[in-house]
Amino acid sequence: DVKVTQSSRYLVKRTGEKVFLECVQDMDHENMFWYRQDPGLGLRLIYFSYDVKMKEKGDIPEGYSVSREKKERFSLILESASTNQTSMYLCASSSIGQGARYEQYFGPGTRLTVT
Amino acid sequence: AQRVTQPEKLLSVFKGAPVELKCNYSYSGSPELFWYVQYSRQRLQLLLRHISRESIKGFTADLNKGETSFHLKKPFAQEEDSAMYYCALSVGSQGNLIFGKGTKLSVKP
Repeated sequence: DVKVTQSSRYLVKRTGEKVFLECVQDMDHENMFWYRQDPGLGLRLIYFSYDVKMKEKGDIPEGYSVSREKKERFSLILESASTNQTSMYLCASSSIGQGARYEQYFGPGTRLTVT
Repeated sequence: AQRVTQPEKLLSVFKGAPVELKCNYSYSGSPELFWYVQYSRQRLQLLLRHISRESIKGFTADLNKGETSFHLKKPFAQEEDSAMYYCALSVGSQGNLIFGKGTKLSVKP
């Protein structure tokens, strides 16, 4: 069974704290993605990674960074959390196969509240 | 510019009625389009892709390049179809997707 797991379902942090969101996939996928999901705004891509130690900015990278030291793990880092980063964060992965590269498998999400 | 537009935030229909969720795209290349669905308290998952020309859970979607549309249709809606639906457009060759803002479908008994 395909699995993408995220370290926390719910997280409450204070403004200015450094926040780590972890994502692990067990499908040996090359591609991994971090999105934020907000009502009325849909899914917006924060960062993605095609390979270990590779990262590319998405549409809204400001205030975020990422780390991919191992193929199965992709971490999202909020260097100094702010209230406008309160959101649902979704991690996804996909293979690079011709027919499968656009089928992204999603984790359950982490609902982050910054107070 | 690459863009996916879902004009309806909320669509409410009665059980047994036909349903159509609209999706329009803007893309200069040859598009690949997808519908993803998120049921309550479940993960976002792929519903169908245009290239497969398949019907999943009674849903179909046809790519109309002339109208740059990829509307999702089902002739007889069921209560279990209630969910959030996202249209997505492939961009680049690596597997990136652009998602629309989503349409919440509510099927009433």
